Amino acid sequence: QVQLVQSGSELKKPGASVKVSCKASGYTLTTYAINWVRQAPGQGLEWMGWINTNTGNPTYAQDFTGRFVFSLDTSVRTTYLEISSLKTEDTAVYYCARAGAGFLQSDYWGQGTLVSVSS
Amino acid sequence: QSALTQPRSVSGSPGQSVTISCSGTSSDVGGYNYVSWYQHHPGKAPKLMIYDVTKRPSGVPDRFSGSKSGNTASLTISGLQAEDEADYYCCSYADSSTMFGGGTKLTVL
Repeated sequence: QVQLVQSGSELKKPGASVKVSCKASGYTLTTYAINWVRQAPGQGLEWMGWINTNTGNPTYAQDFTGRFVFSLDTSVRTTYLEISSLKTEDTAVYYCARAGAGFLQSDYWGQGTLVSVSS
Repeated sequence: QSALTQPRSVSGSPGQSVTISCSGTSSDVGGYNYVSWYQHHPGKAPKLMIYDVTKRPSGVPDRFSGSKSGNTASLTISGLQAEDEADYYCCSYADSSTMFGGGTKLTVL
């Protein structure tokens, strides 16, 4: 069965970096794009962008340019979200999701990774 | 891009029907038939309930239905059940990107 399994919670200090992983199983990773979605505490879902798993080409939403990087390693069926120069307002749950329903509509989601940024 | 507009909350009694609206523009909801709806129970992963405006993934009860008129999409849940209580988000494709609505909290009374 299709699964996306994300790495565990992270506690970081402001200015540090974090890398969240999302491992796919049950299907061929390169068949569908991967979306990344953020949910800050008490807030709604926010689309961060997507990565083309065939080419590795990322596309970032307007609010997620500069410090956010999507990447992938097809040899281990894993996509990554790296956030640099962390700020307290980056504290959120980050989800990866398979865009398997077409046109960036997400049919399977990872369990989410909580990234907490605090001094 | 601004988020799509959803009511902050709706409520209904078991067995009743509720409809959640999702207002956008001709550049997103009105311009494409790629509106999706997600159910999100706190602490769990969101679940796809509707895609392509009206389609239900396998396993989603037919109590859930989607529609669109102009720049507004809607999710209707009929025969409300206690387990339907959750946050619901609409999402629309828009020119190589996508955007979520602000979310609607459904309370089953």
